[in-house]
Amino acid sequence: EVQLVESGGGLVQPGRSLRLSCAASGFTFDDYAMHWVRQAPGKGLEWVSGISWNSGSIGYADSVKGRFTISRDNAKNSLYLQMNSLRAEDTALYYCAKDTGIAAAGTNAFDIWGQGTMVTVSS
Amino acid sequence: EIVMTQSPATLSVSPGERATLSCRASQSVSSNLAWYQQKPGQAPRLLIYGASTRATGIPARFSGSGSGTEFTLTISSLQSEDFAVYYCQQYNNWYTFGQGTKLEIK
Repeated sequence: EVQLVESGGGLVQPGRSLRLSCAASGFTFDDYAMHWVRQAPGKGLEWVSGISWNSGSIGYADSVKGRFTISRDNAKNSLYLQMNSLRAEDTALYYCAKDTGIAAAGTNAFDIWGQGTMVTVSS
Repeated sequence: EIVMTQSPATLSVSPGERATLSCRASQSVSSNLAWYQQKPGQAPRLLIYGASTRATGIPARFSGSGSGTEFTLTISSLQSEDFAVYYCQQYNNWYTFGQGTKLEIK
């Protein structure tokens, strides 16, 4: 079964850091680009970051550029999101999503999504 | 950044009837447009990619059309399980989502 399972969310104070993880199974992880997409409570979807199959191409939304870092470990079938200098507006459910292709620069849709991990930034 | 605008924000339709949802891009995205369905408490599900190609396992009552800046998702005969929020997404220049259309039972 193709599956993505996120972890690492929680309650964190503004200005602090958090690292999210996404464990992939049921498909050849290093054949695909991967993404993080977030959804603030009661709001729509916002693409956060994407990484190509070999980490050679990486992109970020302007809202997180310079604060968040995406990475992957193909040997561990895992995707990560290091989030620094967190703000209240980063509060959201963070989804890990699989691309249908290898690139991450806006070439394909996202066909598999995890159930998300909640990040709450509050003092 | 390409802005995606969906209309209407809420659509009320009776079961068995047809629903038509619209999505407009602020600049051409060619056919690099996807539609997702999201039910409460669930992750989004890919319905349509390439503006008109159904994803694996998606029923034939879902169809997509359009190119450039104007796109449409049509659900030909609404079933109870189709009432949800629908998002369009462009992937021509990185990625942006529309704000969503809530499809509710009339």
